[in-house]
Amino acid sequence: QVQLVQSGSELKKPGASVKVSCKASGYSFTTYAMNWVRQAPGQGLEWMGWINTNTGNPTYVQGFTGRFVFSLDTSVNTAYLQISSLKAEDTAVYYCARAWGPTDYFDYWGQGTLVTVSS
Amino acid sequence: QSVLTQPPSVSAAPGQKVTISCSGSTSNIGNDYVSWYQQLPGTAPKLLIYDDNKRPSGIPDRFSGSKSGTSATLGITGLQTGDEADYYCGTWDSSLSAVAFGGGTKLTVL
Repeated sequence: QVQLVQSGSELKKPGASVKVSCKASGYSFTTYAMNWVRQAPGQGLEWMGWINTNTGNPTYVQGFTGRFVFSLDTSVNTAYLQISSLKAEDTAVYYCARAWGPTDYFDYWGQGTLVTVSS
Repeated sequence: QSVLTQPPSVSAAPGQKVTISCSGSTSNIGNDYVSWYQQLPGTAPKLLIYDDNKRPSGIPDRFSGSKSGTSATLGITGLQTGDEADYYCGTWDSSLSAVAFGGGTKLTVL
């Protein structure tokens, strides 16, 4: 069965970096796009962008450029989200979510990774 | 501020029916398929409806989706206490070149 398993919660200080992983299983990893979605505490879902798992080409939504990096390691069927120069407002749950293409629905989601930024 | 507008909350009694609306424009709902997601407390979102009105395997037929013009609706019949969750609509917005989600609707089953 399809599974997206994310890395555990992180507590970081402002200015630090964090790397969240999303390990896929149960399907051909490079057949589907991988998306990243942010959910701030008590807030709704916010699409950050996606990465083409075939080419490794990332696309970032406005507001998630510069400090956010999507990457892959196709040898272990894993997608990564790295956030640098962390700020308190980056505190959120980050989800990876599979989709057939960038404009399609998200049929499977990771369990989410809570990133807390606090001094 | 999302380009898709949902009511913040809806409520109904067990066994009753409820509908959740999602209002958009010609650059999103009027131009692409709508999907709906259920987020139970403390869990990840789960796909409930895709391509406006299709249910993934395992989703009961108590859940239905419809669309007319630039608005979409999620319907839930035979409400159960286990349906208490946040519900989000989503679609592609061609003006933003981005996936848009509604602000979410909290369903309370009284």
